[in-house]
Amino acid sequence: SQQGEEDPQALSIQEGENATMNCSYKTSINNLQWYRQNSGRGLVHLILIRSNEREKHSGRLRVTLDTSKKSSSLLITASRAADTASYFCATDPGGAQKLVFGQGTRLTINP
Amino acid sequence: EADIYQTPRYLVIGTGKKITLECSQTMGHDKMYWYQQDPGMELHLIHYSYGVNSTEKGDLSSESTVSRIRTEHFPLTLESARPSHTSQYLCASSESGTGGKQYFGPGTRLTVT
Repeated sequence: SQQGEEDPQALSIQEGENATMNCSYKTSINNLQWYRQNSGRGLVHLILIRSNEREKHSGRLRVTLDTSKKSSSLLITASRAADTASYFCATDPGGAQKLVFGQGTRLTINP
Repeated sequence: EADIYQTPRYLVIGTGKKITLECSQTMGHDKMYWYQQDPGMELHLIHYSYGVNSTEKGDLSSESTVSRIRTEHFPLTLESARPSHTSQYLCASSESGTGGKQYFGPGTRLTVT
């Protein structure tokens, strides 16, 4: 079964709006990471939040982590067409730096 | 921009052929990984390595094999390609002590006819 599951599976919004994606996981973690994947390309690391952190910012990205609910959210503010991509959360449940990825959220930003 | 490279980017090959997908990184990372990803789906770990001469199978069973003779090089080989091997293969690397942040190559899209 999936360690990380994203919600929604697909999201389509207008440019300038905010996009929120959620991730749930099952086991305890050391950290949770978010990655972006443009169509047909490799993944790009966006942000890592440690289990003792509740919120982290990086530019237009804001990530929250609620370990009691085993969930995280990624907020992209003031979206741009270039943000169109799939977004994956990843956890390292065994602590051995073997990441388990969710199914991803496909985000489309309409101009 | 990550210094991790994969060749070829695209490969169309007939059933039964032997293929090797190349992956190299210039960051000196000790950990390297191979993932398999079908379009629009999650990544599945098929092989990983924690250093030279160390290789392990991942969570998804794969008929491929890997080797790690040099730190920077982690090739993946399929002895006899089949249509079921059609997929995208992504290579990644990470440095110990960084919390597991991984750097990905651009991927190889393999089609077996």
